[in-house]
Amino acid sequence: EAQVTQNPRYLITVTGKKLTVTCSQNMNHEYMSWYRQDPGLGLRQIYYSMNVEVTDKGDVPEGYKVSRKEKRNFPLILESPSPNQTSLYFCASRDGQDNQPQHFGDGTRLSIL
Amino acid sequence: QKEVEQNSGPLSVPEGAIASLNCTYSDRGSQSFFWYRQYSGKSPELIMSIYSNGDKEDGRFTAQLNKASQYVSLLIRDSQPSDSATYLCAVRLSNDYKLSFGAGTTVTVRA
Repeated sequence: EAQVTQNPRYLITVTGKKLTVTCSQNMNHEYMSWYRQDPGLGLRQIYYSMNVEVTDKGDVPEGYKVSRKEKRNFPLILESPSPNQTSLYFCASRDGQDNQPQHFGDGTRLSIL
Repeated sequence: QKEVEQNSGPLSVPEGAIASLNCTYSDRGSQSFFWYRQYSGKSPELIMSIYSNGDKEDGRFTAQLNKASQYVSLLIRDSQPSDSATYLCAVRLSNDYKLSFGAGTTVTVRA
């Protein structure tokens, strides 16, 4: 089954404790992206990757890191999480052609205390 | 000006009625347009994509695109309680790889 898999689905942690949210897709998609979703603000892009070893900032990259060492994986790293990063996070992927829609993972709800 | 704007909700319609959702975008060169449906606590799922001016129908859903007016809409005919969700308009901006999303319109279908 074609899917985007995120882990963990839920995480409650404390300020400053490094965490990684993993994202993996099995569709051989070139493009992967991370979003955060907050009430009233919609989906905002954090980082995206056009292919292996190619990443770029989205609209709200501060406080986040990403890496793309393999085509299927695109982890999101919070080196020193803060309460303002409490949010619902989605990973998405799509085929390299520009007119293709994105497929979303099930989401990760992060709470930073 | 926001890149993608949707009509503010929430939108409440009776069962069987037509729900009309509107979206405008700022980048005149945009070429790809998508409507996603998102149930509470769930991930967005694609319901329609449209790339050319005019109408595109898929079951009870019709997307309408007018590039000259920078406007895209979604009509839901014969609305059902299962259509109650937040609908997100997404636009692929020209000369950019990212997909810009509107804030969403929440639709409630009253039985």
